[in-house]
Amino acid sequence: NAGVTQTPKFRVLKTGQSMTLLCAQDMNHEYMYWYRQDPGMGLRLIHYSVGEGTTAKGEVPDGYNVSRLKKQNFLLGLESAAPSQTSVYFCASSSSFSGTGETQYFGPGTRLLVL
Amino acid sequence: AQRVTQPEKLLSVFKGAPVELKCNYSYSGSPELFWYVQYSRQRLQLLLRHISRESIKGFTADLNKGETSFHLKKPFAQEEDSAMYYCALKGGYNKLIFGAGTRLAVHP
Repeated sequence: NAGVTQTPKFRVLKTGQSMTLLCAQDMNHEYMYWYRQDPGMGLRLIHYSVGEGTTAKGEVPDGYNVSRLKKQNFLLGLESAAPSQTSVYFCASSSSFSGTGETQYFGPGTRLLVL
Repeated sequence: AQRVTQPEKLLSVFKGAPVELKCNYSYSGSPELFWYVQYSRQRLQLLLRHISRESIKGFTADLNKGETSFHLKKPFAQEEDSAMYYCALKGGYNKLIFGAGTRLAVHP
């Protein structure tokens, strides 16, 4: 049971290049999320998904696209990378139970450097 | 507006000293709060849920609705407690709103 995994672990891009970050979870969770972590700003939600085939915008969606073709996978795409997208990206998942105590489980993160 | 505030970017203490990491929130309704910990370059791990009223690794946190606070406390800090600590507020679809985080540095 690997939990939440992310690939790649680290990537360097040049401005204008594109890439896709992959998140996979094996906990049969309905909900999945992408965050970016920047110093002094905590984690900010980019996009999220409440089920296969659905996506929604979070707090900072500009410059990113996502897809959830399979329940276990959530892809984050950067069509034209910019230096402002240099960050650490975390994926997380959660069950659809909204009761008290239910929360998210995080992947190990992807470090992205855009030159 | 839903918001989480962690006023201290860095908290530096000596081993054995008490620790209090502050967290204040803004939420119209009954809040559900968590503390997450991130050790150096690792994933975020859930430390505490306010609903559980438990003690994990010697840490406790009490929800104070009157002061809209959820401060994290430990009576005697250990060097292995050095990490980044995030307070988070749960919203719809189990989304989390994070504070900016507090780095705890415990010195020998």
